[in-house]
Amino acid sequence: QLQLQESGPGLVKPSETLSLTCNVSGGSISGDSYYWGWIRQPPGKGLEWIGSLYYSGSTYYYNPSLKSRVAMSVDTSKNHYSLRLSSVTAADTAIYYCARCSGFSSPNYFDHWGQGTLVTVSS
Amino acid sequence: QLVLTQSPSASASLGASVRLTCTLSSGHRTYAIAWHQQQPEKGPRYLMKVNSDGSHSKGDEIPDRFSGSSSGAERYLVISSLHSEDEADYYCQTWGTDIQMFGGGTKLTVL
Repeated sequence: QLQLQESGPGLVKPSETLSLTCNVSGGSISGDSYYWGWIRQPPGKGLEWIGSLYYSGSTYYYNPSLKSRVAMSVDTSKNHYSLRLSSVTAADTAIYYCARCSGFSSPNYFDHWGQGTLVTVSS
Repeated sequence: QLVLTQSPSASASLGASVRLTCTLSSGHRTYAIAWHQQQPEKGPRYLMKVNSDGSHSKGDEIPDRFSGSSSGAERYLVISSLHSEDEADYYCQTWGTDIQMFGGGTKLTVL
């Protein structure tokens, strides 16, 4: 059974870089028909797509509103992928979810989700 | 511009049926969408993908009382025989050229 688990610091200072990792178990991150994504949810608000990437690392898509601050990467040897969000502010405080995304030529819908991790931006 | 619109709230009685709606923006009525359920204090769970022709494919272990359909630019999630645990937020999600997005979500209250 596929499982995704987010990990990383729960507290980040303003202007610094948020870094999270999603560990994938019960399946290979190198599957042909899947992309791997990050989604966030500010407290009491809805879901916001951050970005998705293919296991090769060379194909990725970022939310235009975050594109200048986002970088995603993948480590197939560790079966995990990562998110970096730079120059964070209080507005980046949210629960961050990783999720598998079904799709062959491009990412489509998220079909497996992690449980999420709360990241608070505060000095 | 690709946009998904959902009503903020809905309610129905225990044991009854409810239909939640997700509306695609003009020019995008052929797009498929996915429905996700988020129970209180939990992460989202994938329910199903709904195509423009109304066909749908459900996630693992999603009960039969959950179904999907389509009409024009609207995509529906129908829940029959409502259980108390169906009280949750429901999000639709779609994808386009180089982009993915979510609707604002509908909070379903089971009375």
